[in-house]
Amino acid sequence: GQSLEQPSEVTAVEGAIVQINCTYQTSGFYGLSWYQQHDGGAPTFLSYNALDGLEETGRFSSFLSRSDSYGYLLLQELQMKDSASYFCAVPGYGGATNKLIFGTGTLLAVQP
Amino acid sequence: DAGVIQSPRHEVTEMGQEVTLRCKPISGHDYLFWYRQTMMRGLELLIYFNNNVPIDDSGMPEDRFSAKMPNASFSTLKIQPSEPRDSAVYFCASSPGGSNTEAFFGQGTRLTVV
Repeated sequence: GQSLEQPSEVTAVEGAIVQINCTYQTSGFYGLSWYQQHDGGAPTFLSYNALDGLEETGRFSSFLSRSDSYGYLLLQELQMKDSASYFCAVPGYGGATNKLIFGTGTLLAVQP
Repeated sequence: DAGVIQSPRHEVTEMGQEVTLRCKPISGHDYLFWYRQTMMRGLELLIYFNNNVPIDDSGMPEDRFSAKMPNASFSTLKIQPSEPRDSAVYFCASSPGGSNTEAFFGQGTRLTVV
C-alpha cells in the first residue's frame, strides 16, 4: 500500500538535538516536505527535499534518501517554542502531480 | 496577500443540518486542497482542485460531502446532512503549482456536530 509513517511522539530537553524520522511507501515520488503545526494552529511549511542529501535552514535540517524511502527532520538547539507536531508530506503522491499527502505526524514535546 | 482565508472559524450545528465551509485561496495559486484533521485519522486529503477543476476526490468520505470551486478565488465544502462523526477541523490550503510544491494553509474551521 501507500503510506508515510512517523513516530507518534518524541520528547527532548531545551538545547538538545532531536531527529524525527519518516518512512514512505508510494508508487510515485517527487520529493519530501516537512510541516510544523502548533496546537490549535495551521500547518506551516518548513522544508522540501527533491534530491538525496541534507538541506539546512537555520536550526532545522532535512534529509532524504530515495533508495531507502526514508527522510528525517533534524532540529538543533531546541527551544520551548519548537514544541509542536511535525508532519512529513509527499507532494506528487502516487505520481499525481501536486497531490499532497501527509504522514501520521510526530508530537514533539520540549522540556526545560 | 492576506493568505488563505477560511470561514467560519468555528461552527456548531445539529445533526442532520447542512454545513458549508468556505475558502479563499491565495491569488495566483493553481492548486486548492481540502483537508480534514482529527486525532484518530490525522490530516486527511479530501479533495483537490487544479485551475478550478476537481482532480482527485477519492478522499471524500461519503456522498454527504461535496466540494465546488466556481472560480479561482472561491471554494466551498458542503456536508449534507451532517453527522457527529464529521466533527473535526477542516483546512483549506493552496499551492502555486509547478515546481513550487509549498502549501499555504488557512486557519481552519473547527466543526462540531451535536
